[in-house]
Amino acid sequence: GQNIDQPTEMTATEGAIVQINCTYQTSGFNGLFWYQQHAGEAPTFLSYNVLDGLEEKGRFSSFLSRSKGYSYLLLKELQMKDSASYLCAVRDGDYKLSFGAGTTVTVRA
Amino acid sequence: DADVTQTPRNRITKTGKRIMLECSQTKGHDRMYWYRQDPGLGLRLIYYSFDVKDINKGEISDGYSVSRQAQAKFSLSLESAIPNQTALYFCATSPGTGDQETQYFGPGTRLLVL
Repeated sequence: GQNIDQPTEMTATEGAIVQINCTYQTSGFNGLFWYQQHAGEAPTFLSYNVLDGLEEKGRFSSFLSRSKGYSYLLLKELQMKDSASYLCAVRDGDYKLSFGAGTTVTVRA
Repeated sequence: DADVTQTPRNRITKTGKRIMLECSQTKGHDRMYWYRQDPGLGLRLIYYSFDVKDINKGEISDGYSVSRQAQAKFSLSLESAIPNQTALYFCATSPGTGDQETQYFGPGTRLLVL
């Protein structure tokens, strides 16, 4: 099975940077995903890492260290619309996803 | 039009009633999934199907059943609803075994069991 941990809540100011950490312990690893979920809406895909290192997509970047069982999602130049829950998910060898409980990010003006 | 649709979007039912949640997709994906989401627990997998003839239990399948009527349709049933099945239910699809394959989620069904 999978054990995935991420902080429950984070608060940051508009224009700032926030880093959301995710640690995992898995019985099989086949990639790590980050999703964004606004309140009451469906999760939407943000990023994917399967090899160690940093993946950058505009204001969002995601990092993976497989040896440490660690990932982070970096949100730069925060905007009010970035207020949402961010879900870390690990894919196993059967291509199933296990999700962390999510980190709620609140962006203040 | 949405690629993954769920009906109903909201449902209130009573303990002991049988209900069905439906999911349809126009993405042409073989793989479909049902999750429930509860505050503080994240998304948990109920059942998944890798093609029309394939059905697999997820981590919390007790009290639920599914039917894959076609590639595009995957239904979740609660045979006898109980209050702790009150949750937000999501259907998702994915294309196959590509490395960067992600899952695409429907809009969710909010279920309240009284």
